[in-house]
Order: sequence, then C-alpha cells, then structure tokens
Amino acid sequence: EPEVTQTPSHQVTQMGQEVILRCVPISNHLYFYWYRQILGQKVEFLVSFYNNEISEKSEIFDDQFSVERPDGSNFTLKIRSTKLEDSAMYFCARSRDRGGQPQHFGDGTRLSIL
Amino acid sequence: GQQLNQSPQSMFIQEGEDVSMNCTSSSIFNTWLWYKQDPGEGPVLLIALYKAGELTSNGRLTAQFGTTRKDSFLNISASIPSDVGIYFCAGIYSGGGADGLTFGKGTHLIIQP
Repeated sequence: EPEVTQTPSHQVTQMGQEVILRCVPISNHLYFYWYRQILGQKVEFLVSFYNNEISEKSEIFDDQFSVERPDGSNFTLKIRSTKLEDSAMYFCARSRDRGGQPQHFGDGTRLSIL
Repeated sequence: GQQLNQSPQSMFIQEGEDVSMNCTSSSIFNTWLWYKQDPGEGPVLLIALYKAGELTSNGRLTAQFGTTRKDSFLNISASIPSDVGIYFCAGIYSGGGADGLTFGKGTHLIIQP
C-alpha cells in the first residue's frame, strides 16, 4: 500500500483547461515533492515544498504551475492553461527531511490532455 | 541540469541469473538512491546510499556508492520473475538546492522464460 495517496488516478482534460492534482501523505513527513514522467521517459523533478512554501523548483516549473497545501493535509499541484505536452504521469513524494533523505512516491496521476 | 547516465538500457536474462546495472555522472552527488517501478505504479525505493564507498544490501539486492561520488551500481542476485520492471538510479546533486532528485533513464529488466 502506497504511503502517499494521489487523486485522481487518471485525469482527462481539454487543452487550455486548468487541472488540480492532489496528494495526501499518510505519515507526518514534512517535505513534499512533485515529479513528472512523460511516457517512456525518466522521472523529472518539478518542485519541493516545506512549511507552506516552495523550497526548490526546476526549470520545468514555470508560471503555469503552482503548489499549495491549503488545509494542512492535501498537497496540490495546479496546472493552468494545460498544453498537449503536459500529458504525463505526475508523482507526489514525501520525505522526513531534505538533503538526501529517502523520498517515497505515490502511484501517480495520469494526466491526458486532449 | 545534471545528468545521470544509466546502463544498460534494457536487459534480457534467464531466471536465476545475476544482474548488474550502473549509473555514472560527470558531477558529484551526495546521495544515491535506487528505485524500482512496475507498470502503472510509482517508483518504490529499494536502497539508499549516503557515503562514498558505502555498500548496502537489501535481500538479494546490493548497491554501492562509488568512491568518487560520481557513480553507483546495483546488483541483483538469483533473479526471479517478480524482479521484472524498470530500475532507476537517482541522486541528490551536491551543488544544487539539495531537494530534487535527478533520475537516470532507467534499466528495463526482462526475464525470459
């Protein structure tokens, strides 16, 4: 059973629409991450989040993306004005600490942009 | 960004054989992690390495953190059908913000009947 629950498991959206992907970490780990995996490619880091703010982001994480933890539990990734190339698996991960502590992944949300 | 070169890209082996795969980089990494990913699932952590030269085992799996901090290998002994999947190396780059993992492109392990 994954230690991180992600919803939905599959999201189909029209190009140009906004999507919100959700992550519910089961344990009380404090560091959260979003990663993306385009079909058949490697996993790519998007952003890390701690104490209600972004601690690091990659060059992929541009103004189209945003993250928040609005209720202290769910950790969300919002993608505005989706493009075809946003189609991918999006994984949430958590860790007890930063700087190399093992990151544990959820089973992902498959995002399909039509 | 930083690159991890993982090889081989795929392996076709017989059940019972030993497997070896590795990752190299031109940059120094502080941490090396090995993950396995099954179809439709997220990466599952197999082994974490934190010190140069460290050799760690997890059942039939053994991994080592290279002494130069620029490489790591994963060995699987006596492979069984459930070992099939994609294995990824991942690392924390020492010169970065020390949060995001850099992943290799994966080694696809296929066990032939």
